[in-house]
Amino acid sequence: DIVMTQTPLSLSVTPGQPASMSCKSSQSLLHSDGKTYLYWYVQKPGQSPQLLIYEISNRFSGVPERFSGSGSGTDFTLKISRVEAEDVGVYYCMQSIQLPSYTFGQGTKLEIK
Amino acid sequence: EVQLLESGGGLVQPGGSLRLSCAASGFTFSTYAMSWVRQAPGKGLEWLSAISATGDGRYYADSVKGRVTISRDNSKNILYLQMNSLRAEDTAIYYCAKDRYNWNKGEFDPWGQGTLVTVST
Repeated sequence: DIVMTQTPLSLSVTPGQPASMSCKSSQSLLHSDGKTYLYWYVQKPGQSPQLLIYEISNRFSGVPERFSGSGSGTDFTLKISRVEAEDVGVYYCMQSIQLPSYTFGQGTKLEIK
Repeated sequence: EVQLLESGGGLVQPGGSLRLSCAASGFTFSTYAMSWVRQAPGKGLEWLSAISATGDGRYYADSVKGRVTISRDNSKNILYLQMNSLRAEDTAIYYCAKDRYNWNKGEFDPWGQGTLVTVST
């Protein structure tokens, strides 16, 4: 199975400051179809997870522009340009290049200072 | 509005069985792949199983293969997860999630609110 490793596991950020988190996969997530099957999901307190970013860098509908995803192959990054209070939650990366073994990272917990 | 509503969770003894259901509304259920994902208390997310839009393709994580069966009734807009030989480590919130495509791409939106399964004596 592909192992997804997220760092840091927790992050405390002052509102208005940027935040960055990393996700590394044990194998390349670049498929022969040219797409990279790397997603970011966020689980806000008391809520179900929700899709944030698909295929490395595409913001899902309704996701603010302050969120951006980047990377390639095995190394990926999620950045928040200016953190807001509503961004609190646990951010998970997930790979889906390998079915039937989708895997999530351990999650990065974002807190507000 | 697209909605997924899980049910069927509860307290079950080790070795027991449960069937979880996920009632879908607000979209053409028969044209989307679906998955089950679980979250143990205080832990991260674990993908368990996926099924194609038609039901022809079914996939399982190694951790549950042989003990769970995913199915769907496209006439009733319901997704199921039959779980057998339950263990304490199966205790978790179980979410159903709609894929954005008719094939299992792993792009989940939305997720249901989850149903809690507790395996204990």
